[in-house]
Amino acid sequence: QSALIQPASVSGSPGQAITISCTGPSSDFGTYATYTLISWYQQHPGKAPKLILSEVSKRPSGISNRFSGSKSGDTASLTISGLQAEDEADYYCCSYAGSDTYVFGTGTTVVVL
Amino acid sequence: EIQLLESGGALVQPGGSLRLSCVVSGFIFNRYDMAWVRQPPGKGLEWVSGISSAGTSTYYADSVKGRFTVSRDNSRNTLFLRLNSLRAEDTALYFCARRLSGSFTSWGQGTLVSVSS
Repeated sequence: QSALIQPASVSGSPGQAITISCTGPSSDFGTYATYTLISWYQQHPGKAPKLILSEVSKRPSGISNRFSGSKSGDTASLTISGLQAEDEADYYCCSYAGSDTYVFGTGTTVVVL
Repeated sequence: EIQLLESGGALVQPGGSLRLSCVVSGFIFNRYDMAWVRQPPGKGLEWVSGISSAGTSTYYADSVKGRFTVSRDNSRNTLFLRLNSLRAEDTALYFCARRLSGSFTSWGQGTLVSVSS
């Protein structure tokens, strides 16, 4: 149950688009390629995580369409377009890991310059 | 409005035990699988445990298997996590979450467990 690998930090200027990757650990290479139960969470300091994408690319009600997701092989990606100051937060991917277990990514801090 | 409210966190010595509770409202509790997720101070999220809607199936991360026990009381809309043989590395904010289609759709604000002598 090794954590999924995310970049520690991604930055961008307001209005730009940024992409955060989420990769299965090399020890489980290929395992995550078969799973489509990938979700993404946004967490502001001192707050609970908030679901922003489920099943790779589905946005829950109320989530901005500036957030989009994709998956290729064992790498999932979250793209935030039209970056805004309020998007500055920590972002975590999560994948179903088999046998009704789940694994989160290492987390990415988004910095709006 | 969906609400999840955790309680039971405390400072406990290594080897000690705690029981965390999560009272939910705003949705039909017995229709949803639930989970516990923890976050050590300043670190990332870790899935800890899950339980089926009826409470008949339970699942654990390797890091807590054999020490933690998840349960639920659907008559009281309450989720529990029993933590035994606590270690320093169990120090974290513990969140309860509602699970649906592989995602954690609603979260509580967390309860803090600190393990230290």
